[in-house]
Amino acid sequence: SQQGEEDPQALSIQEGENATMNCSYKTSINNLQWYRQNSGRGLVHLILIRSNEREKHSGRLRVTLDTSKKSSSLLITASRAADTASYFCLEYGNKLVFGAGTILRVKS
Amino acid sequence: DAGVIQSPRHEVTEMGQEVTLRCKPISGHNSLFWYRQTMMRGLELLIYFNNNVPIDDSGMPEDRFSAKMPNASFSTLKIQPSEPRDSAVYFCASSPEKGNQPQHFGDGTRLSIL
Repeated sequence: SQQGEEDPQALSIQEGENATMNCSYKTSINNLQWYRQNSGRGLVHLILIRSNEREKHSGRLRVTLDTSKKSSSLLITASRAADTASYFCLEYGNKLVFGAGTILRVKS
Repeated sequence: DAGVIQSPRHEVTEMGQEVTLRCKPISGHNSLFWYRQTMMRGLELLIYFNNNVPIDDSGMPEDRFSAKMPNASFSTLKIQPSEPRDSAVYFCASSPEKGNQPQHFGDGTRLSIL
């Protein structure tokens, strides 16, 4: 399989709590992207972080990138029930490789 | 603006039949991607085109799979002959540029091969 690694595989939290998802990749990257997928739908782009960036914010989303550890984290603050979805990282290097995904459930 | 449009949304057919999946990318986007999603293997890149030219087809499983992009507004993914293990959700995505811009996904084609 060409999947990258993500953890946790699944995460269940209460509305209002923060959710953190992690992504590990194997090759040198140009950028790393995060996507959300609601059940039965296509993926929706959330945020792109370039290899020379360390942190990026978009609304309630914060993404960090540590190229020395080949890892990235996505933090969703003040979660809402509508954030319930699967979240995937996409590494863009010599190849385009998606992570295995994290299933997030936000309980109201 | 219209997003990426895929058809059909669902396809059920018997093994051995030819299957053709269709995709209309967002107007003005130069790159088009075909992905396959299964529980076992997750999201896999099958092939991507840049300016209608196939750039990397190393993800195409075998010769039964073929993809074309005859013009900037249309692409097809064909499976002939189809097998039960081809059952998956197939996504098409487009972006203004190969990897430096976000990809916009269609809602996929859910394919079941009996």
